[in-house]
Amino acid sequence: KAGVTQTPRYLIKTRGQQVTLSCSPISGHRSVSWYQQTPGQGLQFLFEYFSETQRNKGNFPGRFSGRQFSNSRSEMNVSTLELGDSALYLCASSLFLDRGRTEAFFGQGTRLTVV
Amino acid sequence: AQTVTQSQPEMSVQEAETVTLSCTYDTSESDYYLFWYKQPPSRQMILVIRQEAYKQQNATENRFSVNFQKAAKSFSLKISDSQLGDAAMYFCAYRSEGGATNKLIFGTGTLLAVQP
Repeated sequence: KAGVTQTPRYLIKTRGQQVTLSCSPISGHRSVSWYQQTPGQGLQFLFEYFSETQRNKGNFPGRFSGRQFSNSRSEMNVSTLELGDSALYLCASSLFLDRGRTEAFFGQGTRLTVV
Repeated sequence: AQTVTQSQPEMSVQEAETVTLSCTYDTSESDYYLFWYKQPPSRQMILVIRQEAYKQQNATENRFSVNFQKAAKSFSLKISDSQLGDAAMYFCAYRSEGGATNKLIFGTGTLLAVQP
């Protein structure tokens, strides 16, 4: 069974540009969550989607957005990139939304560097 | 709001020895889940162990066990017979029960080194 796939693995962008990251969850999983990991702020929740609907959003500016498609694949977009957006972006997929022992499976992340 | 605190930025253990990683959390909720995740250099977060708050019995997974003290809001991870492959960053995480969310709140992590 394939795991969570995030593409690309590495990305270098210039300040002011925009970027789109992709996450393909485990087959059958309908919940996708995104996290930003930086040395200074640690792991912070960005948003989560379930059945194509955003269910929860973290405390990030509107430059960060996402969506989920009917096949449960998810994308996140960051517009007008800033140096501080350099981070590892992790995606996690779960079978259910908030149902007891449902486990989150993580991808290997996308390392975004803004120069 | 819930918070998770890991007060040990780094820990070191000799191979085959036992090490305990500390985690405390703050919440006003009565039902929740606690997790320990491992993040090796490959960056992929791997679930090590999970604890349901309503269960008094401490969770155990092979060499990994937890000491869950609900009243003290403490959730430590014990790794027995440490192996070189245990070297990684370990994160403690909290998830609410109910509220229609899978959102995880993470601590800042503990970097575990295993000495041969």
